[in-house]
Amino acid sequence: EAEVAQSPRYKITEKSQAVAFWCDPISGHATLYWYRQILGQGPELLVQFQDESVVDDSQLPKDRFSAERLKGVDSTLKIQPAELGDSAMYLCASSLGIGPSASDTQYFGPGTRLTVL
Amino acid sequence: QKEVEQDPGPLSVPEGAIVSLNCTYSNSAFQYFMWYRQYSRKGPELLMYTYSSGNKEDGRFTAQVDKSSKYISLFIRDSQPSDSATYLCAMGGTQGGSEKLVFGKGTKLTVNP
Repeated sequence: EAEVAQSPRYKITEKSQAVAFWCDPISGHATLYWYRQILGQGPELLVQFQDESVVDDSQLPKDRFSAERLKGVDSTLKIQPAELGDSAMYLCASSLGIGPSASDTQYFGPGTRLTVL
Repeated sequence: QKEVEQDPGPLSVPEGAIVSLNCTYSNSAFQYFMWYRQYSRKGPELLMYTYSSGNKEDGRFTAQVDKSSKYISLFIRDSQPSDSATYLCAMGGTQGGSEKLVFGKGTKLTVNP
């Protein structure tokens, strides 16, 4: 069964350092999402791509976070500089499209657990 | 008031019990409703998907949506220790073409053998 791949699975960094996370969506999925999940909370959308274009980045802290999806396939999320409050699970998800039908449901990767010291 | 409210629990039940998990929401624009299961240190996996009001059954799992009350439920029959996980409700609707999902906090469930 096809899965969303993410790396690294775990990342420990010091405050003010730069970190980057990578996501490879399910083949053929046009829509890719990055979520942040703080311990004890549900995932919150950071950015959504449709192919290589950003559809929604309203919750992305653009002063320190950036995301790209060159060629509309895999994606990278970067944080620079990292802050203590960035410690969380960063989840990538993908879906076929952005409509409300069942075929457009989101499938999640295993996540990257970030710890900022 | 948050758009989606979910009791975080924790909820502990004996094996074989019927489990009821619930979420309420405030945004009447939500059209579709999902339940995700998340094991510790893993990403969420889709359990149930429901469009608009009604019931949907899949094996031991039943999802109910009552749009008039803005209330959704997930029932697990004959619960098993392998059902121990955090259950997240999620919902979405047309928002300018961006089908943003809004998640509840999740309810942590433990099924004891």
